[in-house]
Amino acid sequence: AQKITQTQPGMFVQEKEAVTLDCTYDTSDQSYGLFWYKQPSSGEMIFLIYQGSYDEQNATEGRYSLNFQKARKSANLVISASQLGDSAMYFCAMREGHVNDYKLSFGAGTTVTVRA
Amino acid sequence: DVKVTQSSRYLVKRTGEKVFLECVQDMDHENMFWYRQDPGLGLRLIYFSYDVKMKEKGDIPEGYSVSREKKERFSLILESASTNQTSMYLCASSPFSNQPQHFGDGTRLSIL
Repeated sequence: AQKITQTQPGMFVQEKEAVTLDCTYDTSDQSYGLFWYKQPSSGEMIFLIYQGSYDEQNATEGRYSLNFQKARKSANLVISASQLGDSAMYFCAMREGHVNDYKLSFGAGTTVTVRA
Repeated sequence: DVKVTQSSRYLVKRTGEKVFLECVQDMDHENMFWYRQDPGLGLRLIYFSYDVKMKEKGDIPEGYSVSREKKERFSLILESASTNQTSMYLCASSPFSNQPQHFGDGTRLSIL
């Protein structure tokens, strides 16, 4: 079964508008972590934001925020005030709570295209 | 600044060849990972290592092996390359914590 589901293969957003990227996850662990990465066309993976399962507040990092709904098992990324440089592929990933196991499970990704 | 370096950005090999992909990190991280990335499938874990000389299978280890003789270096080996191993390969490292994984720039491998 898929551990991370990103249902939006591609999205278009107007410059300066906000965009929400969906991510749902599946785990039976109580302790886990959720990550979002950005991959521009050049290929490098850039870490954006992290949310721990016990964090009470939604994570924020500059123009990025994470809408964490634990009961629904969703961790949507919100990018505010989109810029042309935000055009990229975005991946949601999860680390489950096994001791000494720091591997990540990734979703299929969402391609965001920002229009001027 | 943290750095994960993959030996090649682009590589072309022939079927049946033994292929080595090298990855070096300068952050003294315990964990290192090899992923492959294919369109529509995201990143899939091939192998990972949490210590020198230790290795663990990921989700798709078939046709691959790894070597970690030193803490900073993690090598991915395609024992006998096949065309279905044409892909983007990404190496990553992380410490023993909830800190994010740091990735290299990736190697685009084509097997002809």
